[in-house]
Amino acid sequence: NAGVTQTPKFQVLKTGQSMTLQCAQDMNHNSMYWYRQDPGMGLRLIYYSASEGTTDKGEVPNGYNVSRLNKREFSLRLESAAPSQTSVYFCASITGTSGKLYNEQFFGPGTRLTVL
Amino acid sequence: GNSVTQMEGPVTLSEEAFLTINCTYTATGYPSLFWYVQYPGEGLQLLLKATKADDKGSNKGFEATYRKETTSFHLEKGSVQVSDSAVYFCALTPSGSARQLTFGSGTQLTVLP
Repeated sequence: NAGVTQTPKFQVLKTGQSMTLQCAQDMNHNSMYWYRQDPGMGLRLIYYSASEGTTDKGEVPNGYNVSRLNKREFSLRLESAAPSQTSVYFCASITGTSGKLYNEQFFGPGTRLTVL
Repeated sequence: GNSVTQMEGPVTLSEEAFLTINCTYTATGYPSLFWYVQYPGEGLQLLLKATKADDKGSNKGFEATYRKETTSFHLEKGSVQVSDSAVYFCALTPSGSARQLTFGSGTQLTVLP
């Protein structure tokens, strides 16, 4: 049981290049999330997917797209990278079982992205 | 909207010192409150939680009490260890939604031997 995995761990891009960050979970969770972490700002939600086949914008969606490929995988795409997207990106998942007051979010180890 | 405010870091303590990291929140109704910890090079892990007023969450010697009257959820530990060095995040989910987390900015803790 690997939990939440992310690839790559590190990436350097030039302005204007594109790339896709991959995330997978093996816990049969319904909901998945993409966050970015910037110094002094905590984690901010980019996009989330409440269930397979659905995606919604979070707090900072501009410049990103997502795909919920299947229940396990949720990818984040930067079509034209900008220096402002230099950050650490975290994927998370949660059971999302209806009727429960709270379910713990499980986080991946992160992808450190630098855009030059 | 919802927000979480944490005390600014970094915080540096000697081993066995008492730790307090302040956290206050703004939210309507009765949110659930959490502390997450991030060790160097890793993702976030849930440290403790409280889902209703006056609840006390505890784990690994850390404690935090949900205070509705002061909208606070301060993290405390009586005797810190070097292994507690990490970044600590306070977070909330709003009433009626178990899925949306709002994070504070994080507090870096360094414990010296």
